[in-house]
Amino acid sequence: DVKVTQSSRYLVKRTGEKVFLECVQDMDHENMFWYRQDPGLGLRLIYFSYDVKMKEKGDIPEGYSVSREKKERFSLILESASTNQTSMYLCASSLRTVSYGYTFGSGTRLTVV
Amino acid sequence: EDQVTQSPEALRLQEGESSSLNCSYTVSGLRGLFWYRQDPGKGPEFLFTLYSAGEEKEKERLKATLTKKESFLHITAPKPEDSATYLCAVQEGGSYIPTFGRGTSLIVHP
Repeated sequence: DVKVTQSSRYLVKRTGEKVFLECVQDMDHENMFWYRQDPGLGLRLIYFSYDVKMKEKGDIPEGYSVSREKKERFSLILESASTNQTSMYLCASSLRTVSYGYTFGSGTRLTVV
Repeated sequence: EDQVTQSPEALRLQEGESSSLNCSYTVSGLRGLFWYRQDPGKGPEFLFTLYSAGEEKEKERLKATLTKKESFLHITAPKPEDSATYLCAVQEGGSYIPTFGRGTSLIVHP
């Protein structure tokens, strides 16, 4: 089974801090994704990547950046954390772009105080 | 207008009481419809992919069906361990990214 591992289950950061969320997948998937999930708003796509060093903006990229230096690792960066970025962050990967389900990580619950 | 609408938002069942969850969509040229299960505080877990009207997939007490405008997730004789949020996602022709619905929260009482 594919595993998608997110480095932290819970994080508490201060406003203005630079925050790194790490995600690693172990099955050579080309595609990786970062979502945030908030009550009543569902899953919203932040960024995605189809290949190493490649990134595409999703629906809500403002305040975030990403890095994909190796195929198995996709990092989400909050340049200057704000309280409205308090959320559940979910990383996912998929083997193919089209018509293929995602494998999600367990999520990182980020609280910005 | 949402492209993917799930109903009901929440559903409470007694153990053994079969029911169905609905996912309706308005995209054109469906490339795939996906069902996921999400337990509290965890990431979604992939269940099924459906590609064309008339297709059905089954897993234990779950059966997913697809028409041209909607999908149903039928739960037969549910158990308390089936309690979770069930998410539907739809991938439209020409798009690489699926659109997720907001989910149905299912609680099964013993």
